Amino acid sequence: QSVLTQPPSASGTPGQRVTISCSGSSSNIGSNYVYWYQQLPGTAPKLLIYRNNQRPSGVPDRFSGSKSGTSASLAISGLRSEDEADYYCAAWDDSLSGPEVVFGGGTKLTVL
Amino acid sequence: QVQLQESGPGLVKPSQTLSLTCTVSGGSISSGSYYWSWIRQPAGKGLEWIGRIYTSGSTNYNPSLKSRVTISVDTSKNQFSLKLSSVTAADTAVYYCARAPYCTNGVCDGSHGMDVWGQGTTVTVSS
Repeated sequence: QSVLTQPPSASGTPGQRVTISCSGSSSNIGSNYVYWYQQLPGTAPKLLIYRNNQRPSGVPDRFSGSKSGTSASLAISGLRSEDEADYYCAAWDDSLSGPEVVFGGGTKLTVL
Repeated sequence: QVQLQESGPGLVKPSQTLSLTCTVSGGSISSGSYYWSWIRQPAGKGLEWIGRIYTSGSTNYNPSLKSRVTISVDTSKNQFSLKLSSVTAADTAVYYCARAPYCTNGVCDGSHGMDVWGQGTTVTVSS
């Protein structure tokens, strides 16, 4: 069971806007930045969003991130077939055992 | 362009120590300020952060793995390494190494995420 909660699947048609949610708690999302990673089939994860809503160089502005309280969302507008991938949210967790990076269980995005 | 490449045995026996190396190319592991991390992913499952080491040598580990994990840096070889002791079948996974910058665009607080990843290496724990 993952510390951060994501829906296991999401889908949309080309051109649509889809959102993927990520729910956490006060010790992680509530007090730290949220990151999003995209993992295309058979490849390593790629950083998509950092510090809640910042895009690394080269990431299209079709991808956007937001955070409110203990939840975060990734939005993808103008959906394209190449966006079909697994998406993971992540955040630092200030646990009593020591800080650690925690991930969501991942959301598999299907482009219909 | 910095690239990372994992290497190590693909098969480890139960109770033994898993040892992996991540070789950094296209840049020096000791130049700049970076965190060097290990993450793993069991087949068909999600990502699990194992731990990281900073350029200075300080480390942070996943509390659930802390008693079995050691991450170290060898600047002479431009590599960093992972050792995971007393492995079981539950440690079977694809292991990734990754880099996280301490500074980006003039902001220096280590909050910029893992921006460069290796391609991953599969490790199976089996007798």
